[in-house]
Amino acid sequence: DAKTTQPPSMDCAEGRAANLPCNHSTISGNEYVYWYRQIHSQGPQYIIHGLKNNETNEMASLIITEDRKSSTLILPHATLRDTAVYYCIVRPPPNRDDKIIFGKGTRLHILP
Amino acid sequence: NAGVMQNPRHLVRRRGQEARLRCSPMKGHSHVYWYRQLPEEGLKFMVYLQKENIIDESGMPKERFSAEFPKEGPSILRIQQVVRGDSAAYFCASSPGGLGNNSPLHFGNGTRLTVT
Repeated sequence: DAKTTQPPSMDCAEGRAANLPCNHSTISGNEYVYWYRQIHSQGPQYIIHGLKNNETNEMASLIITEDRKSSTLILPHATLRDTAVYYCIVRPPPNRDDKIIFGKGTRLHILP
Repeated sequence: NAGVMQNPRHLVRRRGQEARLRCSPMKGHSHVYWYRQLPEEGLKFMVYLQKENIIDESGMPKERFSAEFPKEGPSILRIQQVVRGDSAAYFCASSPGGLGNNSPLHFGNGTRLTVT
């Protein structure tokens, strides 16, 4: 079972920052938080991942709370092409069973 | 810099036929994962393979489904005697794998199987 909880859907105005929350209160100390998104009928696309520290790349920023029980994915300037289902995933450490379990995700609608 | 390649993109089979889905991982990746996505549902893990080894097949149906990742060539997901309920999108992902390697999985664009 997925170890994360996300809101089923969210709206965001085009050009604004989209903040997608994720709860992972049972995360273990050596498990990573990963974010993927799936644009309609395409394969999941990797966005970002982190362990403890906040992370930023060309796509997004990941803010992880100090107790690691929750995180937020931030798309700084959302566009219509960011409309997708966003999955927050807790991944086991790489020296153990490495499968990724997807939950239901958040369906993000970017409004023009 | 080719990504994960899956073929065919679309596959139509009649009930009772066999379906073979192929996945070529990214260059340098030795770990392959298969997921199934039913219409309007999430992605369900099926199987995780390394070259010539099945690591975790806990998500595979007990009958008619099999997967392999030979030393040479693509990974194959094989569905025998397909039924209408097998109609879904099947996604493959790959990673470099290995102890201590925390590289993300990269996904292909899937094979859409339709059973008539």
